[in-house]
Amino acid sequence: NAGVTQTPKFQVLKTGQSMTLQCAQDMNHNSMYWYRQDPGMGLRLIYYSASEGTTDKGEVPNGYNVSRLNKREFSLRLESAAPSQTSVYFCASSEGIAGQVKAFFGQGTRLTVV
Amino acid sequence: GQQVMQIPQYQHVQEGEDFTTYCNSSTTLSNIQWYKQRPGGHPVFLIQLVKSGEVKKQKRLTFQFGEAKKNSSLHITATQTTDVGTYFCAGRTSGTYKYIFGTGTRLKVLA
Repeated sequence: NAGVTQTPKFQVLKTGQSMTLQCAQDMNHNSMYWYRQDPGMGLRLIYYSASEGTTDKGEVPNGYNVSRLNKREFSLRLESAAPSQTSVYFCASSEGIAGQVKAFFGQGTRLTVV
Repeated sequence: GQQVMQIPQYQHVQEGEDFTTYCNSSTTLSNIQWYKQRPGGHPVFLIQLVKSGEVKKQKRLTFQFGEAKKNSSLHITATQTTDVGTYFCAGRTSGTYKYIFGTGTRLKVLA
């Protein structure tokens, strides 16, 4: 049981390049999330998906797009990377969206934009 | 918008000392969760509090939810080196599916 798997683990991009961060969960969870973590700022929600086929903006959605490909997979795309997007990105999933459920996090993707 | 602040930002303690981190929300919360993140790792769920004034214990960890449901605390008794990491609270307000994470408290335990 792998839980939440993110790829890649590390990535260096040049300003203006695009890339997609992949996330897959094998727990049959309905809800999935993308967070970014910057020093001293905790985790900030970028986008979330309450269920397959739906996505919603979080606290910091600008510069990102997401796709809920199916129940297992939730990808995050940077169309034109900027140095301000240098961060550690975490994908998470939870059983439901009712609010009283715990989230399981992936190992994270460390992204550097130069 | 909703803000969740945690204090202190950093805490160094001698092994065996107690530790407390406080979480304060600008708005009334429906429920609050606590996570622990080891250095270089990912957040791991610890507990969830739902009721006003709720207190829950997990071995040496005691979690409290304030009467007004706007603040919470995590207290660790007799810290051990295994307690090292950053502790985050995450609060949700009624009518939203979003959890807003606090800024975290980084705990360092000196042996």
